[in-house]
Amino acid sequence: GAGVSQSPRYKVAKRGQDVALRCDPISGHVSLFWYQQALGQGPEFLTYFQNEAQLDKSGLPSDRFFAERPEGSVSTLKIQRTQQEDSAVYLCASSLAYGTYTEAFFGQGTRLTVV
Amino acid sequence: KNEVEQSPQNLTAQEGEFITINCSYSVGISALHWLQQHPGGGIVSLFMLSSGKKKHGRLIATINIQEKHSSLHITASHPRDSAVYICAVRLDSNYQLIWGAGTKLIIKP
Repeated sequence: GAGVSQSPRYKVAKRGQDVALRCDPISGHVSLFWYQQALGQGPEFLTYFQNEAQLDKSGLPSDRFFAERPEGSVSTLKIQRTQQEDSAVYLCASSLAYGTYTEAFFGQGTRLTVV
Repeated sequence: KNEVEQSPQNLTAQEGEFITINCSYSVGISALHWLQQHPGGGIVSLFMLSSGKKKHGRLIATINIQEKHSSLHITASHPRDSAVYICAVRLDSNYQLIWGAGTKLIIKP
């Protein structure tokens, strides 16, 4: 597709359940970002990949959060033993190259609700 | 104090009005983004600026690097412009974006 695609769009998980969120970046985009956006707040950085390398995971809130991009394209954000505070929209963005002047393109997000 | 501050937080206007949303930042940046977020979470990048002014349709974005300030203008506003508008800056030497809190815009018919 032409844009960044995320799936699922909506996910309801029971507390304690593991979830996996998928991001398909724009083909050829080197950089990939994950953000977490709580209701009524701006996005918070979670992690950054350059190709398959996870260069920064400083924003991951706990060791229950894990992200991977094994072949440098599709990325998966996994949350283990979900808690209610994990409820948020998870946004993925990709950009063509590493570089501060490179524009990022965003997916529609996955809205996770933990009940 | 947040590194990126937007004003106003909320803005309600009548259709046709000229809209201005402001963004001030306190860090050294290489670029500033204006983004639009509709209910449901999707974010659309409107502009990326490093200097001067850009125009796209009814949207105009300006940035003053010396004053560390940017504005987003919407001319002839329309109800479909209703959304949250977010300013985000990219630091001088970092790939991360620092986000403003957003401005919730409602345009009434």
